[in-house]
Amino acid sequence: SYELTQPPSVSVSPGQTATIACSGDNLGERYVSWYQQKAGQSPVLVIFQDKKRPSGIPDRLSGSNSGDTATLTISGTQNMDEADYYCQAWDSGNVVFGGGTKLTVL
Amino acid sequence: EVRLVESGGGLVQPGGSLRLSCAASGFSLSAYDMHWVRQRKGKGLEWVSSFGTTGDSHYPGSVKGRFTISRENAQNSLFLQMNSLRAGDSAVYYCVRSSNNGVFDSWGQGTLVTVSS
Repeated sequence: SYELTQPPSVSVSPGQTATIACSGDNLGERYVSWYQQKAGQSPVLVIFQDKKRPSGIPDRLSGSNSGDTATLTISGTQNMDEADYYCQAWDSGNVVFGGGTKLTVL
Repeated sequence: EVRLVESGGGLVQPGGSLRLSCAASGFSLSAYDMHWVRQRKGKGLEWVSSFGTTGDSHYPGSVKGRFTISRENAQNSLFLQMNSLRAGDSAVYYCVRSSNNGVFDSWGQGTLVTVSS
């Protein structure tokens, strides 16, 4: 079965850039979405089709996808960005989530 | 405003059954693919089932044969019948809508299922 791998944790200082990777075989050939989940809340879509942002998502968040790795980049990270982030893709009609990355803003 | 409200969670013994419901408002549920996604305590997101606009359903191997997803258009509601429940099925279950490009754009608040004796 298809798997998506994310680092368990990433730390960043306020105002700096955070990058969260999501890896999978030939992932660049699939569309990737990213979801943000703050403590005690439901997940929220923040990036879809690799790099598109839903309305209301700040342009500090951006995405890319090439080769075996998709990347979520948060520029000028703020305390409010502290959350768990999950990548997601489809494989033969099945939904696949990455294991999630906890972003800590120190 | 799109809204998804889950209900039906609770405590059930191993081997027991539970039926989850998801009431949708602000859109016609039949026009979208709908899904259940669960999250064990302190763990990541896990896809549980999908129900397509054409009535097709899909499941991962972990729940196939035990869980059944269905939809009632008149009630604008989605359901998940869970049988032969195990301790490992204990989780918060989210009802999720996906857009035409398979993006999970709306999530409910979740309902907690606890399987324990």
